[in-house]
Amino acid sequence: TQLLEQSPQFLSIQEGENLTVYCNSSSVFSSLQWYRQEPGEGPVLLVTVVTGGEVKKLKRLTFQFGDARKDSSLHITAAQPGDTGLYLCAEGNTNAGKSTFGDGTTLTVKP
Amino acid sequence: DAGITQSPRHKVTETGTPVTLRCHQTENHRYMYWYRQDPGHGLRLIHYSYGVKDTDKGEVSDGYSVSRSKTEDFLLTLESATSSQTSVYFCAIKTGQSYEQYFGPGTRLTVT
Repeated sequence: TQLLEQSPQFLSIQEGENLTVYCNSSSVFSSLQWYRQEPGEGPVLLVTVVTGGEVKKLKRLTFQFGDARKDSSLHITAAQPGDTGLYLCAEGNTNAGKSTFGDGTTLTVKP
Repeated sequence: DAGITQSPRHKVTETGTPVTLRCHQTENHRYMYWYRQDPGHGLRLIHYSYGVKDTDKGEVSDGYSVSRSKTEDFLLTLESATSSQTSVYFCAIKTGQSYEQYFGPGTRLTVT
């Protein structure tokens, strides 16, 4: 089973600041998903990246997939309190579509 | 919205009692998953199902059993609850050929 490492574990910033969180593995990802989980709710899918070097944007969120497909980053521009939550990366494998999740980055954006 | 509901949403039970959590989906997806989420451990797979009566173990299956007699329902049973099973439990489904999963709202279980 592939081990996903997410960093930092915790991040607390002021509204309006930019931030980047990371997801790394020693093995090549087949595809990578990013999820956001708000307190008291289930994770919600944000994006899937598949191709090495791929960049996807979702409003103020920019997702990058490393050229070697062993790392990914999520950059948030001008963070808002509504961005507060747990950000999880996950990698799927071919066995019954199971996914392995990282432990997540807990982001707090203070007004 | 993938039409996933979980029941109950909250439960407090005593050590040694049996507990069953229910996951219900409305869109006839083949794959369903049960996870537990604990501080410092992220989401860990308990059991999963790839069709009616087709289930298999995940990484933390000890003390848990599952059943899937209908496509829409996936049940997780704790035969004899222990305090170490206090956690938040999430059900998820997978759509199509991708690895993208869609989660229910979760069940917070406390074993006293």
